[in-house]
Amino acid sequence: AQSVTQLGSHVSVSEGALVLLRCNYSSSVPPYLFWYVQYPNQGLQLLLKYTSAATLVKGINGFEAEFKKSETSFHLTKPSAHMSDAAEYFCAVSTDAGGTSYGKLTFGQGTILTVHP
Amino acid sequence: EAGVAQSPRYKIIEKRQSVAFWCNPISGHATLYWYQQILGQGPKLLIQFQNNGVVDDSQLPKDRFSAERLKGVDSTLKIQPAKLEDSAVYLCASSFSSFRTDTQYFGPGTRLTVL
Repeated sequence: AQSVTQLGSHVSVSEGALVLLRCNYSSSVPPYLFWYVQYPNQGLQLLLKYTSAATLVKGINGFEAEFKKSETSFHLTKPSAHMSDAAEYFCAVSTDAGGTSYGKLTFGQGTILTVHP
Repeated sequence: EAGVAQSPRYKIIEKRQSVAFWCNPISGHATLYWYQQILGQGPKLLIQFQNNGVVDDSQLPKDRFSAERLKGVDSTLKIQPAKLEDSAVYLCASSFSSFRTDTQYFGPGTRLTVL
């Protein structure tokens, strides 16, 4: 079975500091991995996704993530945090729905990012 | 393009009552998903439709939850009767197809409180 573990339910950084949100996955098939962001009282918005092309994936709002097969990781980073980055971030792995060829997402528990002035 | 629409945005009911949520996906998207997001957790897939057929409902509590997607467009999720543990945000999402690499686009969700 596929699963995702996000290390750290809360991460706090200062404005301008590096953002690092950790995600490790478990998958019996080549994984496709996603990072979503959720602002309060809103749905999830895709930040970036890894689909077996380049291992370093660039997303929106200056975020990027690197797929490391040897470490089964897909950590999300941003060089300089902005106040508007404060939100909850979810890592997800795409698996097969019911043993079919259809994809479905399995999400991690989420990491709340707080940005201090 | 218009995003995924959901209504209502908020609903408060008492236990044992029934409730229904509505979702209108992005035009042209064949796949529709319903997720349950309990406070402090990631979304959990309840049911997945491909056009108007069910692909996966393995985590849908079928004794109380039901969903349909008539004509392969709009969808309705119903809970009857509701329990306290059903308090959660119910998210609807859609994607162009069911390929594993396809992006899912989420609606704003319906926050359900069961008293």
